[in-house]
Amino acid sequence: AQSVTQLGSHVSVSEGALVLLRCNYSSSVPPYLFWYVQYPNQGLQLLLKYTSAATLVKGINGFEAEFKKSETSFHLTKPSAHMSDAAEYFCAVSAQGGSEKLVFGKGTKLTVNP
Amino acid sequence: GAGVSQSPRYKVAKRGQDVALRCDPISGHVSLFWYQQALGQGPEFLTYFQNEAQLDKSGLPSDRFFAERPEGSVSTLKIQRTQQEDSAVYLCASSLVKTQYFGPGTRLLVL
Repeated sequence: AQSVTQLGSHVSVSEGALVLLRCNYSSSVPPYLFWYVQYPNQGLQLLLKYTSAATLVKGINGFEAEFKKSETSFHLTKPSAHMSDAAEYFCAVSAQGGSEKLVFGKGTKLTVNP
Repeated sequence: GAGVSQSPRYKVAKRGQDVALRCDPISGHVSLFWYQQALGQGPEFLTYFQNEAQLDKSGLPSDRFFAERPEGSVSTLKIQRTQQEDSAVYLCASSLVKTQYFGPGTRLLVL
């Protein structure tokens, strides 16, 4: 079985500051890991994914995440926050070689202050 | 190309009413998923299709929930005798190469 824990339901940063959103996962088999972003009243947009190739994954809009097996983590970072990054972010896990169904964390709402 | 589309975008139902939610996946995507997202929560898996076969329905919360994909393309999620606890956003996703692409969701409010 898989599970995801996102530390911090709300994160607030200043425009231009580093963004760090934390995600820890639990999986009994090698995982695939995903970050999605959700803007108000919209569906989920894929930011990036880890599928067992490179451990440092680059995504859209300047985001990246690093898969650390020893820490069971997949934290999302962006060097410099922009006002347009304000949204809710979800980390998700699925099992390699198994069902593709995603197990999501509860989400982290990112606020960017001018 | 066109993404995943869902209709209606908003639905208000009286308690006890039946509702049907539609999902049009990306053309050529074999796999299709339904998720339920309660307010302030992450999406939770409901059911999964590969072509027209429903391979996993372990997340459906009760026998009032039913999903179908008869021709392996469009899917419908039906909720019978709606209850207030069914109020949520229902998200559909289609998948290619282990990556799911989501529609905008249907927001269901049961009064």
